[in-house]
Amino acid sequence: NAGVTQTPKFQVLKTGQSMTLQCAQDMNHEYMSWYRQDPGMGLRLIHYSVGAGITDQGEVPNGYNVSRSTTEDFPLRLLSAAPSQTSVYFCASSGQGGHYGYTFGSGTRLTVV
Amino acid sequence: SQQGEEDPQALSIQEGENATMNCSYKTSINNLQWYRQNSGRGLVHLILIRSNEREKHSGRLRVTLDTSKKSSSLLITASRAADTASYFCATVGNSGYSTLTFGKGTMLLVSP
Repeated sequence: NAGVTQTPKFQVLKTGQSMTLQCAQDMNHEYMSWYRQDPGMGLRLIHYSVGAGITDQGEVPNGYNVSRSTTEDFPLRLLSAAPSQTSVYFCASSGQGGHYGYTFGSGTRLTVV
Repeated sequence: SQQGEEDPQALSIQEGENATMNCSYKTSINNLQWYRQNSGRGLVHLILIRSNEREKHSGRLRVTLDTSKKSSSLLITASRAADTASYFCATVGNSGYSTLTFGKGTMLLVSP
């Protein structure tokens, strides 16, 4: 099984550009989440989904959009990139929400210049 | 806001020694989980302890939970160089959907 696949692994954007970070899982997990990781800050929740068609905001949602049209895919869209969005982004999924462990992707390192 | 706070922020030990990391949190929880992150990689789930459990073991890992003190500890016995990584605690609350709230992590360096 591939688990959680994130693409791209690296990306450089100019301020104001938009892009979509892709996340796909092949474990039929209902719960999916997006986190950003900044030095000294740990991981912070951006958006999450508890099933196809259901999404909600996390701790730091501003500047990001999500949608969940299928169980497998949970893309994260940056609407107008800002230098403050320079970070490493992780997607994670779980079959039972937080009642069991989450499986994480390998991350997307994004730099906004 | 961050729920957990790990202590220490960094830990350096020799191979064969035990490593202990602590995590404190602020609100009531359903469970607490520990994750490992190797440099430049994603997080890997290590162990989960539920709020009604006090201690749990998995191989060389031992986790304790004290809900009265809102704290947990992760003990890695007989450390190996391959254990070098950052370790994060993450909590799942009792209300709402079951998302993870992470602490800032402990960087563990195990020297040969």
